[in-house]
Amino acid sequence: DQQVKQNSPSLSVQEGRISILNCDYTNSMFDYFLWYKKYPAEGPTFLISISSIKDKNEDGRFTVFLNKSAKHLSLHIVPSQPGDSAVYFCAASRSNFGNEKLTFGTGTRLTIIP
Amino acid sequence: GAVVSQHPSRVICKSGTSVKIECRSLDFQATTMFWYRQFPKQSLMLMATSNEGSKATYEQGVEKDKFLINHASLTLSTLTVTSAHPEDSSFYICSALRLRGQFFGPGTRLTVL
Repeated sequence: DQQVKQNSPSLSVQEGRISILNCDYTNSMFDYFLWYKKYPAEGPTFLISISSIKDKNEDGRFTVFLNKSAKHLSLHIVPSQPGDSAVYFCAASRSNFGNEKLTFGTGTRLTIIP
Repeated sequence: GAVVSQHPSRVICKSGTSVKIECRSLDFQATTMFWYRQFPKQSLMLMATSNEGSKATYEQGVEKDKFLINHASLTLSTLTVTSAHPEDSSFYICSALRLRGQFFGPGTRLTVL
């Protein structure tokens, strides 16, 4: 039962353009959502998060949008840079307390084309 | 920053042997650590939550007698895969809780022959 889904296993985007990564979830109890970036042979690193009381959170080039009624969130990266090439995971939890279990999606491999 | 290390990064073992994986928080103390497993093309799945000085909490379907977790200090948690079988081959990642965030280690690739 995949409660968090990333339906695009891969995405290629031209440098300088916008990258949009999508994530859908099924569990309505999820209240807090996170995006992680992962390079090969490294652990995931936290990028940005959003609480369900918001519909948008922005941090520099990264913006996360949440559509709670559609149970959908997306990560926008603009402008995309070659260093953004990595696997991106979305994750969800029932609260923003760190000891709450994280449920991860399957990841989207983003490739930025110079 | 908050740094988490894992050792070893890769291990190959024979079926039936036991393998120990260490997870260390290098520059902070972590009362709580998590152990995840990732199969190819699948998501990270939480196996267990490790709390310093107490028993780990295992997720449904994870055999606690097979995956032994010890969190003996505030900077070290270990996962021992006992009597490993080829189906245990996977990528194991730990994370350590600091303030309200989880900081992940680089992972350990386990291959059981």
